[in-house]
Amino acid sequence: LAKTTQPISMDSYEGQEVNITCSHNNIATNDYITWYQQFPSQGPRFIIQGYKTKVTNEVASLFIPADRKSSTLSLPRVSLSDTAVYYCLVGDFGGGGADGLTFGKGTHLIIQP
Amino acid sequence: DSGVTQTPKHLITATGQRVTLRCSPRSGDLSVYWYQQSLDQGLQFLIQYYNGEERAKGNILERFSAQQFPDLHSELNLSSLELGDSALYFCASSVKASGRPGELFFGEGSRLTVL
Repeated sequence: LAKTTQPISMDSYEGQEVNITCSHNNIATNDYITWYQQFPSQGPRFIIQGYKTKVTNEVASLFIPADRKSSTLSLPRVSLSDTAVYYCLVGDFGGGGADGLTFGKGTHLIIQP
Repeated sequence: DSGVTQTPKHLITATGQRVTLRCSPRSGDLSVYWYQQSLDQGLQFLIQYYNGEERAKGNILERFSAQQFPDLHSELNLSSLELGDSALYFCASSVKASGRPGELFFGEGSRLTVL
């Protein structure tokens, strides 16, 4: 799996848009970019996944530039309940599945009133 | 509800003891993953099974072992427990041919406290 680098922590306020960037300089051709969210004492939850350009779902958007060496998770109009740890993962999940999926320490996002 | 069931939810034991954590994956999922999360630590990948066979191994201690049974449930055995083994242990499952590769479904975890 490609190594990823993301900020350890971020702060924002309710109603703001939050962007968390992940660097993955050695991403391979077949690699996908996946983001998970984890609340305290709960298992991580899949948020969004992309390969290139932009992906949007009901909770977030994922922006991936043409060189794919980084990606940005965008959370629109955050609320207090978005306070969580966000993990960026990069890997070739398409063939045999998500083998040995390794999470880093993630980004601890704190939303204030 | 992710569909992944872990038991027990909480477990308190003493150093030197042995415990078994159990995981039932989502119906139809062939892969089971085990993770350890200590206080203020990220998720450490321990081991993965696919349809009964070991698929990938992470930083799993020799005192720990796991297996996946024919009905696809999995057990993680932790022996000669030490204080540092106190952690949340998560099980996750995935479907090989999922429309979203890399999507894991996590259970609620088993919190182990070693005294």
